[in-house]
Amino acid sequence: DAGVTQSPTHLIKTRGQQVTLRCSPKSGHDTVSWYQQALGQGPQFIFQYYEEEERQRGNFPDRFSGHQFPNYSSELNVNALLLGDSALYLCASSFTSGGTSYNEQFFGPGTRLTVL
Amino acid sequence: SQQGEEDPQALSIQEGENATMNCSYKTSINNLQWYRQNSGRGLVHLILIRSNEREKHSGRLRVTLDTSKKSSSLLITASRAADTASYFCATAAAGANSKLTFGKGITLSVRP
Repeated sequence: DAGVTQSPTHLIKTRGQQVTLRCSPKSGHDTVSWYQQALGQGPQFIFQYYEEEERQRGNFPDRFSGHQFPNYSSELNVNALLLGDSALYLCASSFTSGGTSYNEQFFGPGTRLTVL
Repeated sequence: SQQGEEDPQALSIQEGENATMNCSYKTSINNLQWYRQNSGRGLVHLILIRSNEREKHSGRLRVTLDTSKKSSSLLITASRAADTASYFCATAAAGANSKLTFGKGITLSVRP
């Protein structure tokens, strides 16, 4: 039973470029959340997807966008990259039933993004 | 903004000793979860405690929750060198439907 997977593992981009990160949830999970973790900090919530819609969003600009596919996998897109976007991007999956989330979130290994 | 505040920020103990880490938060919660992170890699889920629970055990882990004080503690008994990692508490606010708010984490070093 595969856990949460993310790709790529590492990514180097330059300022102004665009990036797409990918996540496949744990088997049986239908909800995907994305977090940004800067060095030495705790993860910060970006947004959450369920039923292919963005359900919640954290305090991140519109440069951060996402998508969820029918197979529950998800993408995080960041446009017009800034140096401050350098971070570990974590994807977490969970299960939602009847609109109620069971809250236990399982994280993938993350994508380390470096913006030069 | 970060809701959870872990204490201490860093902890160094000898193998075999117990490690106690504390977390305080500010708003009402649905549940609180503890995670471990090794060397900037993915987070490993350790334990979830719901707001109507006071104590929970999992192997060498013991978590307590005091909603009146808005605080939680994580106890790791008989620590091992492999327990060396960063530990985070994360809260899910009531009605927020699973968005997690993390603290800055505690760095635990277990000396062999």
